[in-house]
Amino acid sequence: ETGVTQSPTHLIKTRGQQVTLRCSSQSGHNTVSWYQQALGQGPQFIFQYYREEENGRGNFPPRFSGLQFPNYSSELNVNALELDDSALYLCASSPPGSRGAYEQYFGPGTRLTVT
Amino acid sequence: AQSVTQLGSHVSVSEGALVLLRCNYSSSVPPYLFWYVQYPNQGLQLLLKYTSAATLVKGINGFEAEFKKSETSFHLTKPSAHMSDAAEYFCAVCEGGNEKLTFGTGTRLTIIP
Repeated sequence: ETGVTQSPTHLIKTRGQQVTLRCSSQSGHNTVSWYQQALGQGPQFIFQYYREEENGRGNFPPRFSGLQFPNYSSELNVNALELDDSALYLCASSPPGSRGAYEQYFGPGTRLTVT
Repeated sequence: AQSVTQLGSHVSVSEGALVLLRCNYSSSVPPYLFWYVQYPNQGLQLLLKYTSAATLVKGINGFEAEFKKSETSFHLTKPSAHMSDAAEYFCAVCEGGNEKLTFGTGTRLTIIP
């Protein structure tokens, strides 16, 4: 069984640019959550998608947006990148019936550096 | 609002000694509590979770945690540390029915040979 995968592994962008990060959920999982982990900090919830709809959002500005596709994979888009957006971005998927956060399985993350 | 506090950003123990990582939570409703481990350059791996069943929860790799409502605590323990336990550990809380995990700032565990 394939776990949660994320691409790319590393990414370097310039301030003001836009970036798209991708996540493939674990087989059979229909909920995807995204987290931002700044250096030396715990992950912070960005938003969650369930059946292609946003199902909760953390304290992040609208330039952070997402999508979930019919196969339950997901994208995180960040516009107008700022230096503070430099972080590890983690995707987590949950199986049906898990009621959101109760069982989240994390991918290895995408390390984004904004210069 | 839900939150967790991890006491001690760095903990060092000798190989074979007891591991104790502290976590206190705040929640307006009965919480669900989790411990995750993160190895360098990797994502998070679930160690164990408390979801209102038994207050003593056993997880993987010999770790366990006890939910104490009176102390609002969920400390992680392991009787005998192994070199492979060196990693960052995160405590997290989820209020029932909520959709997000709220993490603490983490505790870096170092094992002394």
